[in-house]
Amino acid sequence: AQSVTQPDIHITVSEGASLELRCNYSYGATPYLFWYVQSPGQGLQLLLKYFSGDTLVQGIKGFEAEFKRSQSSFNLRKPSVHWSDAAEYFCAVGPLNTGTASKLTFGTGTRLQVTL
Amino acid sequence: GAGVSQSPRYKVAKRGQDVALRCDPISGHVSLFWYQQALGQGPEFLTYFQNEAQLDKSGLPSDRFFAERPEGSVSTLKIQRTQQEDSAVYLCASSLLEGGTGELFFGEGSRLTVL
Repeated sequence: AQSVTQPDIHITVSEGASLELRCNYSYGATPYLFWYVQSPGQGLQLLLKYFSGDTLVQGIKGFEAEFKRSQSSFNLRKPSVHWSDAAEYFCAVGPLNTGTASKLTFGTGTRLQVTL
Repeated sequence: GAGVSQSPRYKVAKRGQDVALRCDPISGHVSLFWYQQALGQGPEFLTYFQNEAQLDKSGLPSDRFFAERPEGSVSTLKIQRTQQEDSAVYLCASSLLEGGTGELFFGEGSRLTVL
């Protein structure tokens, strides 16, 4: 069965500092990979996704993620964090070749706190 | 509105009551998903519709859970004889494409508390 691990439950960074959120997955092949953000009282919003091709993926709000097959990782990065980035971040995987890439398996999330 | 709308936003039920949660997807979206998000956890897949057809209900935790989308637009998730372990946020998401290979748009969720 596929699974997603986000080892950091809670991360605090200063505004302007760089950010990296870790995500590791377990799957029999390369799945579809996603990062979502959830702000309090808001629905999940897609930040970026990887299906194939270039392993460095650019997303919205200045985020990027790099797929590393050898490490089964899909870490999310941002060079300079803004206070408005404080939220819960979820990594997710979707099954390849079943036609339901959005039957997602989510990690438990990483809560990002930004200090001014 | 232009997004996925869910109602009610908050529901408190006594144990044993039946509840119905509604989802209005984005107009024209073919795929519709229900997810359950327990406190402190990531969302977990419940069921998937392609238009009015329920193609996957493998995530429904018990036969007390039932979902429908009779006209291929609005969907209802029904939970019968609610239990405390049903307390969670229920998220609905829709996608324009079949198979959900496009971007998923999530609603704000319906928070169910079972006393």
